[in-house]
Amino acid sequence: AQSVTQLDSHVSVSEGTPVLLRCNYSSSYSPSLFWYVQHPNKGLQLLLKYTSAATLVKGINGFEAEFKKSETSFHLTKPSAHMSDAAEYFCVVSEGSGGYNKLIFGAGTRLAVHP
Amino acid sequence: ETGVTQTPRHLVMGMTNKKSLKCEQHLGHNAMYWYKQSAKKPLELMFVYNFKEQTENNSVPSRFSPECPNSSHLFLHLHTLQPEDSALYLCASSQGSGNNYGYTFGSGTRLTVV
Repeated sequence: AQSVTQLDSHVSVSEGTPVLLRCNYSSSYSPSLFWYVQHPNKGLQLLLKYTSAATLVKGINGFEAEFKKSETSFHLTKPSAHMSDAAEYFCVVSEGSGGYNKLIFGAGTRLAVHP
Repeated sequence: ETGVTQTPRHLVMGMTNKKSLKCEQHLGHNAMYWYKQSAKKPLELMFVYNFKEQTENNSVPSRFSPECPNSSHLFLHLHTLQPEDSALYLCASSQGSGNNYGYTFGSGTRLTVV
């Protein structure tokens, strides 16, 4: 079975400094991986996805993630945090099954951005 | 607006009430999902419907009853709930098979059982 582990439940950064949210995955074959963001009292929004093309994936709002098979990692980064980035972030692995795909979510990392 | 609409946004119900949550998408997606998001717990997949047929029930108690009349609409009927069922219920949809498709999520229904 596939799974993801988000290594930090909370991350706190200052505005303008880099963001690193860590994710490791477990998969028996080449996975599809996603990062979603959830702002308070909102649904989840897709930030970016990796689907076996380029290992460095660029997403919305300046975020990017690098797929490293040797490390089974898919960490999310952003060069410079903005106050509006404060939210909860979910690393997700996809498990294909019978005509649809099932997403397996990590426990989430809450990002706080301080002035 | 993501293309997946959930109503109501907030719901407070007593343990003996019967209520329904509604989800609607006009994205042409063939699969629809219900997820439960509780505080301090990972998102839990509840049900999956693919082309109106239920393909997954993740050991959900029978007090939750899903209905999918067509590929664009998904309901979650609730009856005799417990306080621990209070959570954010998220609906999502996706298109196609294979692993390349993420989900489009609705904004959720915040349910409080009193």
